[in-house]
Amino acid sequence: AAGVIQSPRHLIKEKRETATLKCYPIPRHDTVYWYQQGPGQDPQFLISFYEKMQSDKGSIPDRFSAQQFSDYHSELNMSSLELGDSALYFCASAGGGEQFFGPGTRLTVL
Amino acid sequence: AQKVTQAQTEISVVEKEDVTLDCVYETRDTTYYLFWYKQPPSGELVFLIRRNSFDEQNEISGRYSWNFQKSTSSFNFTITASQVVDSAVYFCALSEGDGEANNLFFGTGTRLTVIP
Repeated sequence: AAGVIQSPRHLIKEKRETATLKCYPIPRHDTVYWYQQGPGQDPQFLISFYEKMQSDKGSIPDRFSAQQFSDYHSELNMSSLELGDSALYFCASAGGGEQFFGPGTRLTVL
Repeated sequence: AQKVTQAQTEISVVEKEDVTLDCVYETRDTTYYLFWYKQPPSGELVFLIRRNSFDEQNEISGRYSWNFQKSTSSFNFTITASQVVDSAVYFCALSEGDGEANNLFFGTGTRLTVIP
């Protein structure tokens, strides 16, 4: 069965650079969630989209923005990167049931 | 406000022992969902179970079992006859409201090490 796809899987950036993470949900899933998991931490909810509209917002910094496109894929844009942004970023998709998580993108900010 | 507490930060057991991971939650909603996820060293989050607030029936799946008790706001997870492959961080999570897929609030996780 198709799963949630995230790209890239690994990303290394310098401080103050920008990064774009992509998420491709399971086909026919209309809801996408983004979570951030810092080293040794639990995943923290950032933002979610339902039918291409933002549905809920968590602890997402103002430097970050996200959107869901007409094909339901989503992108998380991160600007002015800081060392503290180094984390595992998960995307999850849902289609009326439980959330299925992607493999995550590991972002390292140097 | 919602809260999920996993008081056990780390647990070590010898292979074939049984182990119970504790989860206590707080919510003001009468409708909510509880989850357990496994995060092995490779990093992915593996869904184990979802339980809604109106279903207190315990569940068993192979070596895994879950005990949901609303009276104590607990949703504990037991692994029977543990194996080395069970070594991972286990997260308990809560979503509030009647939507099955509202965003999740995670506990801080319990790192389980199964010693051969």
